[in-house]
This record gives sequence, C-alpha cells and structure tokens, in this order.
Amino acid sequence: AQSVAQPEDQVNVAEGNPLTVKCTYSVSGNPYLFWYVQYPNRGLQFLLKYITGDNLVKGSYGFEAEFNKSQTSFHLKKPSALVSDSALYFCAVREWNAGNNRKLIWGLGTSLAVNP
Amino acid sequence: DAGVTQSPTHLIKTRGQQVTLRCSPKSGHDTVSWYQQALGQGPQFIFQYYEEEERQRGNFPDRFSGHQFPNYSSELNVNALLLGDSALYLCASSLEGSGANVLTFGAGSRLTVL
Repeated sequence: AQSVAQPEDQVNVAEGNPLTVKCTYSVSGNPYLFWYVQYPNRGLQFLLKYITGDNLVKGSYGFEAEFNKSQTSFHLKKPSALVSDSALYFCAVREWNAGNNRKLIWGLGTSLAVNP
Repeated sequence: DAGVTQSPTHLIKTRGQQVTLRCSPKSGHDTVSWYQQALGQGPQFIFQYYEEEERQRGNFPDRFSGHQFPNYSSELNVNALLLGDSALYLCASSLEGSGANVLTFGAGSRLTVL
C-alpha cells in the first residue's frame, strides 16, 4: 500500500537560513512524487514534482527537492528561507503502474515557520 | 484565466442532512478530483471524474457521490451527514494526458456538521 510520512509537524528556521522539509514514501512500484504548499484560507498550490530523470528537481519560488530511491525520500529544500515561505507543506505520492492509478496519497503536512 | 472555483465557501448542516458542493475546473482542464481534508490532516482522495464518469474512488462510503457535467464542472453530494463529515472539501482539476496529473486546487468548501 502507498504511504507518505512527513516526520516533522513543524519546522522553524531563521530568515536567510537554508530549510529542509522531510518526506519519505512507500510504494510497491515506481513513484510520482509531489510537493504542494497551502497558505491560510487558500487552496493547495503545486511546487514541484519528480517523475523520472535527474534526482534533483527544481520548482517554484526557489524550492527544490532531491529524490533518493535507496532511502525512499523526497526532501524539500531551499537555500535561503523567506518569511513569506511560512505555510503548510504537503508531500504526496502517486504509484505509477499499468492500472492507471491516479490517486494521490498525502502526508499529514509540515508547518514551516520562518522567523525574521 | 480563472482557476478552480468552488461554492459555497462555508456551510453549516445538521446530522442527517444532505449537502451538494460545486466545482468549476480551471479553463482547459477536463478532469476533476475531490478530496476531503480534516483539520490537521492531509487531503484524502474521494474520487475522480473524467468524461462524466467516476474513474477512480477512494475509501469513502456510498453516501459520497458525485457528478461531472458536459462542461467539466462537477458536484460532490454527501447524504445522511455525520459529525465526522465536517472538513474542508477540496476540488482539484487537471488535464488528462498532461503527465503525472499536476493538480490545480480550489480554495475549498468548509463543511461543518452539527
């Protein structure tokens, strides 16, 4: 069965410091991996995805994520955090298989607080 | 270019009642997915509609049903409401065949069941 774990409920970083939001996954086949961000009273917004190819994926707003197959991880990173990055971040996985599975499985989310 | 619009934004119902939530997908999108997000939780997949048919369904009871119209808009219906149905209901649209179904979400409909 597919699953996603975001081991940290909250991450606190100082503005200008690098940030990492962790995600590990479990699928039986090949994964499609996603990061979305949710601001208060707004819908989820797509940040980046991994399908295949280069393990380092670059996305919106300066975010990037590194796919690590051996560790089944897809951690979100940013070299220099901004106060405006403060939001709720969700990792999601879709198992790619011949059955045309389109269901995304989501983590519980990690609340990122960037302090001025 | 309008994104995904959902209505109503907030609503309050009592146990046993029925509710209908509506969604208009992003222009150019043909696929609509519905998710339930309880407080402090990640979204849970309810079902996905494409070509006016339910294509895939998550682990939700038959009280949850939906519909997709020829203009790609969609409705989510929940019958016999329970207290546990209180949640944010998110509609997401995508374009079939666009690869790895990147979803565009609406702001959601917050349902409170008393």
